[in-house]
Amino acid sequence: RKEVEQDPGPFNVPEGATVAFNCTYSNSASQSFFWYRQDCRKEPKLLMSVYSSGNEDGRFTAQLNRASQYISLLIRDSKLSDSATYLCVVNYQAGTALIFGKGTTLSVSS
Amino acid sequence: SQTIHQWPATLVQPVGSPLSLECTVEGTSNPNLYWYRQAAGRGLQLLFYSVGIGQISSEVPQNLSASRPQDRQFILSSKKLLLSDSGFYLCAWSSDRGNTIYFGEGSWLTVV
Repeated sequence: RKEVEQDPGPFNVPEGATVAFNCTYSNSASQSFFWYRQDCRKEPKLLMSVYSSGNEDGRFTAQLNRASQYISLLIRDSKLSDSATYLCVVNYQAGTALIFGKGTTLSVSS
Repeated sequence: SQTIHQWPATLVQPVGSPLSLECTVEGTSNPNLYWYRQAAGRGLQLLFYSVGIGQISSEVPQNLSASRPQDRQFILSSKKLLLSDSGFYLCAWSSDRGNTIYFGEGSWLTVV
């Protein structure tokens, strides 16, 4: 079983749509969770951390379900600038390397 | 603030030639350092990580090697490149106690 699995893409949505990405992880000992964003031919950049109680940053909401080993990212009111690949990321222990999913591509059209 | 830079940004190398990618971090001390590779259509693969000078851990067997000659310098090398070494190479850092990692701009390597 792969360590971090994400929804297969691409997701093609119109501006203003709400879109959700899902991610599952295999190691129940995982401690930290993140969503990174990667634009075409660029380096990944941290979008947001995912906390146990769920957290929101503007139009973005992240949730964690430890029992099901499941992470989600919800984007409301999609913008053209949201078009990118979104990477689900897991860390087993502070200071160790992150494990990345393959990413889900989002394309927002006008 | 902390910054990370890697170079060169793009390179085209013939099969069998050597490789050297360099990465430096500024604004922090004793960072954890990482080299990742992203091949076409694939996810990020961890190649090496380092928790201190001269301390290198390899995650996958390959013809690549890494070195950390100084606290904030991380070098990825190969003596003889293979076609399969083509990809997007990313250097990254995290604080010694932190979780979040930050990437450099990346280096596009094409082996021909």
